[in-house]
Amino acid sequence: DGGITQSPKYLFRKEGQNVTLSCEQNLNHDAMYWYRQDPGQGLRLIYYSQIVNDFQKGDIAEGYSVSREKKESFPLTVTSAQKNPTAFYLCASSFWQKVDTQYFGPGTRLTVL
Amino acid sequence: KNEVEQSPQNLTAQEGEFITINCSYSVGISALHWLQQHPGGGIVSLFMLSSGKKKHGRLIATINIQEKHSSLHITASHPRDSAVYICAASTWGAGSYQLTFGKGTKLSVIP
Repeated sequence: DGGITQSPKYLFRKEGQNVTLSCEQNLNHDAMYWYRQDPGQGLRLIYYSQIVNDFQKGDIAEGYSVSREKKESFPLTVTSAQKNPTAFYLCASSFWQKVDTQYFGPGTRLTVL
Repeated sequence: KNEVEQSPQNLTAQEGEFITINCSYSVGISALHWLQQHPGGGIVSLFMLSSGKKKHGRLIATINIQEKHSSLHITASHPRDSAVYICAASTWGAGSYQLTFGKGTKLSVIP
């Protein structure tokens, strides 16, 4: 089955620790995206990548880093510089020519204690 | 920057009721999206439309480009429709793509 997987579903970390969230897709999509969702707010774009080895900052990139070494994978690292890391993180992917049609993963809920 | 507003924020309905969720946006768009987010958090795309009306089963989405307004209707609502419904507006400008999300409408359908 084609789709997007994110792991783990729930993640707990101590304050000051970096943590990496996984996102994998087998849809052969060239573009991948990371969004953050907070209660009472719309999704906000953190980073996106159009092709392998290239990525661009979104609206709220501060305190986050990404890599795109493989087409299928786009991990997001939440660094200790992110002031409010507790949130729900969603990964998405699309063909870049069809950027309007994004497929979303199941999400990872990160709680920093 | 596009602003996307949804109403109502929360909606409780009895099973069988006709439901309407509204979305308005501030600037011209290339497409308007309706998404459904279930309690587990995963998001599914319901509709993408740039004009007129689309229907899928009991769901109907309409858009009025002149009014910058879209509505999502659910006919004969069912408890399994309980979810958060999100509208998002996409725009292209200066070669870049922007997708702006509303805050969502939480729908609860009671048996």
